[in-house]
Amino acid sequence: KNQVEQSPQSLIILEGKNCTLQCNYTVSPFSNLRWYKQDTGRGPVSLTIMTFSENTKSNGRYTATLDADTKQSSLHITASQLSDSASYICVVSARGNTGFQKLVFGTGTRLLVSP
Amino acid sequence: EAGVTQFPSHSVIEKGQTVTLRCDPISGHDNLYWYRRVMGKEIKFLLHFVKESKQDESGMPNNRFLAERTGGTYSTLKVQPAELEDSGVYFCASSHMYREGTQYFGPGTRLTVL
Repeated sequence: KNQVEQSPQSLIILEGKNCTLQCNYTVSPFSNLRWYKQDTGRGPVSLTIMTFSENTKSNGRYTATLDADTKQSSLHITASQLSDSASYICVVSARGNTGFQKLVFGTGTRLLVSP
Repeated sequence: EAGVTQFPSHSVIEKGQTVTLRCDPISGHDNLYWYRRVMGKEIKFLLHFVKESKQDESGMPNNRFLAERTGGTYSTLKVQPAELEDSGVYFCASSHMYREGTQYFGPGTRLTVL
């Protein structure tokens, strides 16, 4: 069964601090892995995307890593800001028989950055 | 460029009633997807349109749900009759045909069935 698990479920950090979110997946056949940021009341927005051969990808203060052998990914946020408060969702894309991708979502990590 | 829009943003209905959700994808995006998130659970796939054709509807929960995309532009998702377990947030997403990978999500419609 295709599944994506994330930890921790929620996290509170002080403004300016760093944090790392974890994602484990069992999705086959693997196509790519994305991290999405979802602000309250809004739809998810893509932060990074990594294919099988990529180990790391950065987007500003966000750095994602991927270990395709252990099927693990992490999202590291540097020098957190209040605006980073949101849910972060790990999404793994499986390539279907038709060639189109199907997204498998984790339940997300709810991050609160406190002043 | 306008993003994916959804209407309404919230809907509260009674069990047994009918509700229709609308999604307007990004102009020119051939792929349109519907997803649902129920309380405390992950977002789950419902179905995928390529233009006006249903490419994959394996995630539709039952025949009370009907999705259409006439003309290959906007899409509607009708729930008839609504049940309590249909409550949740319904997201629509779209992507360009050639770069099918990146899906752009709308803000969602929060449906509450009483």
